[in-house]
Amino acid sequence: GAGVSQSPSNKVTEKGKDVELRCDPISGHTALYWYRQRLGQGLEFLIYFQGNSAPDKSGLPSDRFSAERTGESVSTLTIQRTQQEDSAVYLCASSLIGTGPGYTFGSGTRLTVV
Amino acid sequence: GQQLNQSPQSMFIQEGEDVSMNCTSSSIFNTWLWYKQDPGEGPVLLIALYKAGELTSNGRLTAQFGTTRKDSFLNISASIPSDVGIYFCAGPSGGSNYKLTFGKGTLLTVNP
Repeated sequence: GAGVSQSPSNKVTEKGKDVELRCDPISGHTALYWYRQRLGQGLEFLIYFQGNSAPDKSGLPSDRFSAERTGESVSTLTIQRTQQEDSAVYLCASSLIGTGPGYTFGSGTRLTVV
Repeated sequence: GQQLNQSPQSMFIQEGEDVSMNCTSSSIFNTWLWYKQDPGEGPVLLIALYKAGELTSNGRLTAQFGTTRKDSFLNISASIPSDVGIYFCAGPSGGSNYKLTFGKGTLLTVNP
């Protein structure tokens, strides 16, 4: 597609439920990133995928968070047993190579845990 | 870890005024990036700086890479209503060239 597509755009879930967020990167972009943006805060790095290399999961805040990517296409971020502090906007980005300036961000999924 | 401190946190200006905001760090960054985020959207890259002392312009925007490598500045001249948004500085951190650290942003409001 023309840009990075994320779905759903908004998600409200009850505390304790699992949620799955989806990201469709720009076609041909080998690198994919997930970031979290809490209200009034900057973006926090979560995870990075580059081709077939092992992902960099160093930013995942707990073992309730996991992410997968199918080849060089769709990625899903899963949050298990959601907590209220998980409420945030989850942003996905992709790039041709794994360098910061090449990022194109999606519009994000706004997650609210009630 | 590395942190970026942005100031001011917010600004309210009149259309036509010039704006200046900055970003500082206690550690060295080898690349400085400035992004703008509109409501409900992801950040969009405005300017990338790669060399200490570098001054780069993009239309009415000008950014500078501080000579100490620990700061950067973004100026917007002759502001217009569509300049409204949150401006973030960012830079690669943790020894990688892909993992970005972001500041908390400067919220800019422009009164027409």
